[in-house]
Amino acid sequence: KAGVTQTPRYLIKTRGQQVTLSCSPISGHRSVSWYQQTPGQGLQFLFEYFSETQRNKGNFPGRFSGRQFSNSRSEMNVSTLELGDSALYLCASSFTGTGDNEQFFGPGTRLTVL
Amino acid sequence: AQRVTQPEKLLSVFKGAPVELKCNYSYSGSPELFWYVQYSRQRLQLLLRHISRESIKGFTADLNKGETSFHLKKPFAQEEDSAMYYCALVGVTGGGNKLTFGTGTQLKVEL
Repeated sequence: KAGVTQTPRYLIKTRGQQVTLSCSPISGHRSVSWYQQTPGQGLQFLFEYFSETQRNKGNFPGRFSGRQFSNSRSEMNVSTLELGDSALYLCASSFTGTGDNEQFFGPGTRLTVL
Repeated sequence: AQRVTQPEKLLSVFKGAPVELKCNYSYSGSPELFWYVQYSRQRLQLLLRHISRESIKGFTADLNKGETSFHLKKPFAQEEDSAMYYCALVGVTGGGNKLTFGTGTQLKVEL
């Protein structure tokens, strides 16, 4: 079974630009979650989508948004990029939406904002 | 609010020595606790979860609700255990899949 894939793997943008990251979950998984990982703040939850609906949202500004398609693939968008948005963005998928399910993580997208 | 605390950033032990990675949590409801591990140049992956009550790669973790702890233990450390370990929590009631992670503990097993 193919694992979670994320594209692109690396991205360099400048302040003020916007960016879209993509995540393809494991086949059959309906829940996709996004996390931001930085050396200072660690792993922080951004949002979760289940069956095309945002179910949970973390404490991030409205510049961070996402969506999920009918095939469970998900995208997250960051508008008006700031230097502090430089981070590794991880996507995770799970079979169901119950919290006790294992989440499978992708390799991440490394975003650098200059 | 839910919170996970891992007090040690780095834990260094000798091969064959016992290992204990500490994790304390704060959550008003009934949580599910997990340990995730990240080996060098690999993805973050689940090591074990409270609900399964199983031992993985010799590691065990017991949920102590009185002390709100979920420490990870292994009686004899192996070199291949060197990795970054994250304790994480999901709120069972309406929590969905929102994982709250601790800051992680880097385990280094020395020969």
